[in-house]
Amino acid sequence: LAKTTQPISMDSYEGQEVNITCSHNNIATNDYITWYQQFPSQGPRFIIQGYKTKVTNEVASLFIPADRKSSTLSLPRVSLSDTAVYYCLVGAMDSSYKLIFGSGTRLLVRP
Amino acid sequence: DAGITQSPRYKITETGRQVTLMCHQTWSHSYMFWYRQDLGHGLRLIYYSAAADITDKGEVPDGYVVSRSKTENFPLTLESATRSQTSVYFCASSGTGGSNQPQHFGDGTRLSIL
Repeated sequence: LAKTTQPISMDSYEGQEVNITCSHNNIATNDYITWYQQFPSQGPRFIIQGYKTKVTNEVASLFIPADRKSSTLSLPRVSLSDTAVYYCLVGAMDSSYKLIFGSGTRLLVRP
Repeated sequence: DAGITQSPRYKITETGRQVTLMCHQTWSHSYMFWYRQDLGHGLRLIYYSAAADITDKGEVPDGYVVSRSKTENFPLTLESATRSQTSVYFCASSGTGGSNQPQHFGDGTRLSIL
């Protein structure tokens, strides 16, 4: 069972780069790492997904070291609208393992 | 419009009553999920379905029943509601081709049980 551990909260300022790290020591060989963003009163929204090394899209980058026991979500030049809870998710559904969300990281972006 | 919709958005009921939360998706996704989110906590998986007529338990299935007679619908029923089931319920779906596809979430149903 690949349980994830993230910081409970983080503070930043507009225009800064934010890096949120997730630990998943028991990640299995076929597990992907997925990050979601959630605003109050809304469902989570997919941000980025990766298996190894680095993945980049229009909103974020995901860094995964060779041992895959952790991952880092990088948000470049955050704005006030990036204030949200960010969840790291590890796991596959085609096994007996069930997808489990952790408690997430509450990011507060200040002006 | 394509997407995933949940109904109702808000529901208040009493203990012991049966409640059904509806979820409908228009993408023809194979996988569908039900989560609950309690105040100050993350999401916990209740049930999921890999295809029509195939369902399986998640982390917290007790007190809930699901069915999936059609690919696009995945209703969640609380057969005899309890106060501990007061929560926000989210439905999600993901595409074919493997379980590691991103999940797309609905806007949730806020359920209060008195």
